[in-house]
Amino acid sequence: KAGVTQTPRYLIKTRGQQVTLSCSPISGHRSVSWYQQTPGQGLQFLFEYFSETQRNKGNFPGRFSGRQFSNSRSEMNVSTLELGDSALYLCASSLARRAGEAPLHFGNGTRLTVT
Amino acid sequence: KNQVEQSPQSLIILEGKNCTLQCNYTVSPFSNLRWYKQDTGRGPVSLTIMTFSENTKSNGRYTATLDADTKQSSLHITASQLSDSASYICVVGSSSNTGKLIFGQGTTLQVKP
Repeated sequence: KAGVTQTPRYLIKTRGQQVTLSCSPISGHRSVSWYQQTPGQGLQFLFEYFSETQRNKGNFPGRFSGRQFSNSRSEMNVSTLELGDSALYLCASSLARRAGEAPLHFGNGTRLTVT
Repeated sequence: KNQVEQSPQSLIILEGKNCTLQCNYTVSPFSNLRWYKQDTGRGPVSLTIMTFSENTKSNGRYTATLDADTKQSSLHITASQLSDSASYICVVGSSSNTGKLIFGQGTTLQVKP
């Protein structure tokens, strides 16, 4: 069974631009969650989707948004990029309705660098 | 406030030695506790997941313990290998209506030959 796939793997953007990251969950998983990982802050929860509905949202500004499609694939968008948005963005999928209820399967992330 | 604290922040050991990583949490209501291993440049991979009623769980050379009374967990690595060099992240799941996960900052382990 294929794992969680995140694209692109690396991305370099300029301040003020916007970016869209993609995540394909494990087949059959309907829950997708997104995380930002930085050396100083560790893993921080962004948002979580189940069956195209946002179930939970972390404490990030409105510049961070996401959506989930009917095939469970998910995208996250960051608008008006800032230098501080440079991070590894991880996507995880699970069988449960909420991320806390079942094991998470992570992708290898998208490394975003904002210059 | 829900928090997960891990210690030590980093650790260097010699190949073949054992080590123990610690995780203390103040998460309520508690649902489960997980340990993940994250290699550099990769996503975290689940090692163990324990619920309230479980106090020990093994996965090969990795053994996790949970003391729900003191709200402490440990991850013991036996006969370390160079491939154990990674970050180890403790994550606690809450059974609140949001079902959120609270992440520790991780312990970076370096195994030297």
